[in-house]
Amino acid sequence: ETGVTQTPRHLVMGMTNKKSLKCEQHLGHNAMYWYKQSAKKPLELMFVYNFKEQTENNSVPSRFSPECPNSSHLFLHLHTLQPEDSALYLCASSQDRDSRYNEQFFGPGTRLTVL
Amino acid sequence: DAKTTQPNSMESNEEEPVHLPCNHSTISGTDYIHWYRQLPSQGPEYVIHGLTSNVNNRMASLAIAEDRKSSTLILHRATLRDAAVYYCIRYGAGGTSYGKLTFGQGTILTVHP
Repeated sequence: ETGVTQTPRHLVMGMTNKKSLKCEQHLGHNAMYWYKQSAKKPLELMFVYNFKEQTENNSVPSRFSPECPNSSHLFLHLHTLQPEDSALYLCASSQDRDSRYNEQFFGPGTRLTVL
Repeated sequence: DAKTTQPNSMESNEEEPVHLPCNHSTISGTDYIHWYRQLPSQGPEYVIHGLTSNVNNRMASLAIAEDRKSSTLILHRATLRDAAVYYCIRYGAGGTSYGKLTFGQGTILTVHP
């Protein structure tokens, strides 16, 4: 596979469930990102990892827990979510967060529905 | 403040040029201007970026005003596949916006056959 992949593409979960979203990039990039896109709202940056270290947490509730075990993989662990957390969750990667040419490559997203 | 201002929507006919405007009147001297687009049911994709000079690539051209307070994304011949939401973004090279792409509402481009 090439580019940025995300699994699952669709997820329905109850408020008491625990689930994880997975992102994998095959581009040799060192920075990875989680974004949230709610209906009719702009993309919101959630987390940034650079060389496996978290460099940005954009005031995200603790029920979202990111994990970056290596530069190619990024997870978003979900627990006790609320219905308002239903959204499209997008993963992206870039060569280097500090690069002036910060072209980000996005995955297709995971469509999450919280019941 | 990393905001840009774009029209909510624009329309074009297939095979005609499209000029998508963006205002960024508070841009700093080191901020880059990036454009991304998001096709229906897909993640955003990079289109083009620039700092001061006009830029061309296989997808589009970017015309940047001399005072850098505005820019225009130019699609030379629109196709149906170009129907998407287009985002103009200031990429911060310093300060609180460092390393962040801050997306706004974007411009919804409709292309008519």
